[in-house]
Amino acid sequence: DAKTTQPPSMDCAEGRAANLPCNHSTISGNEYVYWYRQIHSQGPQYIIHGLKNNETNEMASLIITEDRKSSTLILPHATLRDTAVYYCIVRGANTGNQFYFGTGTSLTVIP
Amino acid sequence: DSGVTQTPKHLITATGQRVTLRCSPRSGDLSVYWYQQSLDQGLQFLIQYYNGEERAKGNILERFSAQQFPDLHSELNLSSLELGDSALYFCASTLAGGPGETQYFGPGTRLLVL
Repeated sequence: DAKTTQPPSMDCAEGRAANLPCNHSTISGNEYVYWYRQIHSQGPQYIIHGLKNNETNEMASLIITEDRKSSTLILPHATLRDTAVYYCIVRGANTGNQFYFGTGTSLTVIP
Repeated sequence: DSGVTQTPKHLITATGQRVTLRCSPRSGDLSVYWYQQSLDQGLQFLIQYYNGEERAKGNILERFSAQQFPDLHSELNLSSLELGDSALYFCASTLAGGPGETQYFGPGTRLLVL
């Protein structure tokens, strides 16, 4: 049911920006892009979401391409605590407003 | 801290038994979701309740059932447990369940069936 494609794993040096890509080429106009992360076996943690415009909050920035077929989550200054599995999720009426988690990207921040 | 609470944190039981997992949503949230996360399946949506009524069903087995009470807490009942039911069970909540609403997840209940 997942409508997104993410690389299975990525590494990032501590202090550098982590750029996590997501492809959602079949996204509909009324569907949102959400990003969550899961550290070890903790509950998924909300990071950010957007519909059309780029978004920024205290945790990250979300860049959505103009055609909305892909997006990038940017963690501006990655720390060791950012090591986690990151999930990109498309959600809207076509998904019954449900979250369908794919396999995500396992990000490892390297000292 | 997301504001969503789940009890118990850990549960160990035997095959064939029945257990109940409890979830309290964030203050003000009316909608509750249940998810199962096993090693080979990832996070799977099970069921959603809104203000006491079932709203959506996902990959929930017939041996599993849930309900949401008038005080908005929810319980997930798992019966005739099998080894394969060992997993993390997460609860999440939102205000009403609309597509632009963020789901906040609880810390989960780890179930081990022996």
